[in-house]
Amino acid sequence: QKEVEQNSGPLSVPEGAIASLNCTYSDRGSQSFFWYRQYSGKSPELIMFIYSNGDKEDGRFTAQLNKASQYVSLLIRDSQPSDSATYLCAVNPGSARQLTFGSGTQLTVLP
Amino acid sequence: ETGVTQSPTHLIKTRGQQVTLRCSSQSGHNTVSWYQQALGQGPQFIFQYYREEENGRGNFPPRFSGLQFPNYSSELNVNALELDDSALYLCASSLGGGDTQYFGPGTRLTVL
Repeated sequence: QKEVEQNSGPLSVPEGAIASLNCTYSDRGSQSFFWYRQYSGKSPELIMFIYSNGDKEDGRFTAQLNKASQYVSLLIRDSQPSDSATYLCAVNPGSARQLTFGSGTQLTVLP
Repeated sequence: ETGVTQSPTHLIKTRGQQVTLRCSSQSGHNTVSWYQQALGQGPQFIFQYYREEENGRGNFPPRFSGLQFPNYSSELNVNALELDDSALYLCASSLGGGDTQYFGPGTRLTVL
């Protein structure tokens, strides 16, 4: 079992819709959770981080964390074609220093 | 822009050669982590340097080595290059080992 799992997609949504990206992780001791956006040929760009159970909102983005279910998600409201990218979920286990990444979900927002 | 810089941008080497990649961390950040990202995969942790000391290492062979300098910039060295070493090499800077990490633009290494 992979440590961090994401649906690889591709996920397609129409412009203006809500895109929902999901991630599960295996280490129950994980402390912090991150979402990065990566455009083709570019490096990952931090979008959101979340440490506590519940929702965290930043503009059109909402991160949701449920530690009991070992599940973290990212919602993108009013999706735009410029949101088309690969979204990487990353987890920092409490005992380690590194980030463990999922393989990413490719999102396409259709005009 | 994160303020993290990497050089070179692209590099082509042949199997068996050695390569050095460089990273300058964001101002005020004392920790640098290196990741390897193969095509279609998420980044894989290579190692981390905190205040010039190695502070964790992933599942990479000893031919992957690194350094951190007093100004917190860092180098990644790879000896005896193999074809599978072809990847995007990412440097991430943070304030402290477990803090939020910000990535540089990466170095694309091609091994022929």
